[in-house]
Amino acid sequence: KAGVTQTPRYLIKTRGQQVTLSCSPISGHRSVSWYQQTPGQGLQFLFEYFSETQRNKGNFPGRFSGRQFSNSRSEMNVSTLELGDSALYLCASNYGGFGTEAFFGQGTRLTVV
Amino acid sequence: TQLLEQSPQFLSIQEGENLTVYCNSSSVFSSLQWYRQEPGEGPVLLVTVVTGGEVKKLKRLTFQFGDARKDSSLHITAAQPGDTGLYLCAASGGTSYGKLTFGQGTILTVHP
Repeated sequence: KAGVTQTPRYLIKTRGQQVTLSCSPISGHRSVSWYQQTPGQGLQFLFEYFSETQRNKGNFPGRFSGRQFSNSRSEMNVSTLELGDSALYLCASNYGGFGTEAFFGQGTRLTVV
Repeated sequence: TQLLEQSPQFLSIQEGENLTVYCNSSSVFSSLQWYRQEPGEGPVLLVTVVTGGEVKKLKRLTFQFGDARKDSSLHITAAQPGDTGLYLCAASGGTSYGKLTFGQGTILTVHP
C-alpha cells in the first residue's frame, strides 16, 4: 500500500507570494490533516478535512486555507507569504474515525525569502 | 486546550545505555501516540496506547500509559545509534476530529 505522498518536497518562495501544497492520502483514507512544524513551535495543527468538508481548524490566520477533493486528495494554500511561514508542512491521513492513528507524509519544506 | 509537556528536551547518550522519555499533561486523553521523526521526514507512528495502565513493548522500546490516562513514558533499553531521532508524543481527546496535540519532542542522540 502506498504511503501518504506530498508534493513538492521543497519550495522556495518570495515574501508576498502565494503557494499551494498537495497531499495524496493512503488509499481508502478519507481524512486528511495538515500540520506546520517549526523548531520554535513544534508541530501545530492547521486543519482537517473529511469527505471534502473541513471538520476542524487550528489557530492560524485566514491566509492559510485548504480543500479536499472527491478522491480525498487535499491541497493547502498560503497566501501573502511571510518570512515566518517558513516551515515543514506535514499532512497526515487516516480513516476518519475519532482518535484514530495518523500516517504522515514526508512533508514539504517551504522557505520564504 | 490540551498541553503536553515532554521531558527531557534533549538526550545525548552512549550506545548501550538505557533512557526514559516522559509525556505529561493535566488533561485526560482518550488515546496517546508516540512517533519517531528523522530529519527532513514525517513522523512515523510507533505505538498507540488507549487503556490506563497499559504497557506495550516494541523490541527494545517499552511504552506505558498512566493509570489516570494523563501521562505516558517511553523507555529504550540498550540504545543504539539507529535510535537517534526526534521522539514525539501526541494525544487526541474531547471531540476534536483529526487533531493531534503534540509535545515539543525529545531529541535523542545515541553515540557509537
